[in-house]
Amino acid sequence: AQSVTQLGSHVSVSEGALVLLRCNYSSSVPPYLFWYVQYPNQGLQLLLKYTTGATLVKGINGFEAEFKKSETSFHLTKPSAHMSDAAEYFCAVSEGGTYKYIFGTGTRLKVLA
Amino acid sequence: DSGVTQTPKHLITATGQRVTLRCSPRSGDLSVYWYQQSLDQGLQFLIQYYNGEERAKGNILERFSAQQFPDLHSELNLSSLELGDSALYFCASSVLAEHNEQFFGPGTRLTVL
Repeated sequence: AQSVTQLGSHVSVSEGALVLLRCNYSSSVPPYLFWYVQYPNQGLQLLLKYTTGATLVKGINGFEAEFKKSETSFHLTKPSAHMSDAAEYFCAVSEGGTYKYIFGTGTRLKVLA
Repeated sequence: DSGVTQTPKHLITATGQRVTLRCSPRSGDLSVYWYQQSLDQGLQFLIQYYNGEERAKGNILERFSAQQFPDLHSELNLSSLELGDSALYFCASSVLAEHNEQFFGPGTRLTVL
């Protein structure tokens, strides 16, 4: 069965510092992987997704993620944090044939001035 | 604006009551998903419909039911409400049944008193 683990429910970084949010997944077949962001009082919106092909995926707002099959990971990074990046970030996996999305428990990112 | 609309925005009701949450997907999207988000449970997938048919079921209680109508809008019915049902309920839509980006609505905040 597929599952998603996000390490760290809260992450704090200084403005201008590297952002690294961790996501590990479990899937019996090649997964489709997603990162979503949720700003306060809003629904989720897609940051980026991996389906097939290039393992380094670029998304909106300067975020990118790398699919590493050997590590079953899909960590989200951004070279330089901005105050506007403060939000909750969700990793999700979709497994072929199940039609289900499984979301991680979320990581709340705080950006310090 | 994701193009997904949800009504009402807020709903306050009493234990034992029944409520209906409504969702209109983006134009052209055939798939609708329902999620429950609470502080203690995180983001939980409830159920998915594709072109009027149920496609996947998640952690949906027997007191909850949903349907997707011929015009593709969907309704989530919650009955015999309990205090623990207080949560944000999100609807999301996508073009196809699996692996596609989901577009989330703004959510309905349900408070059960």
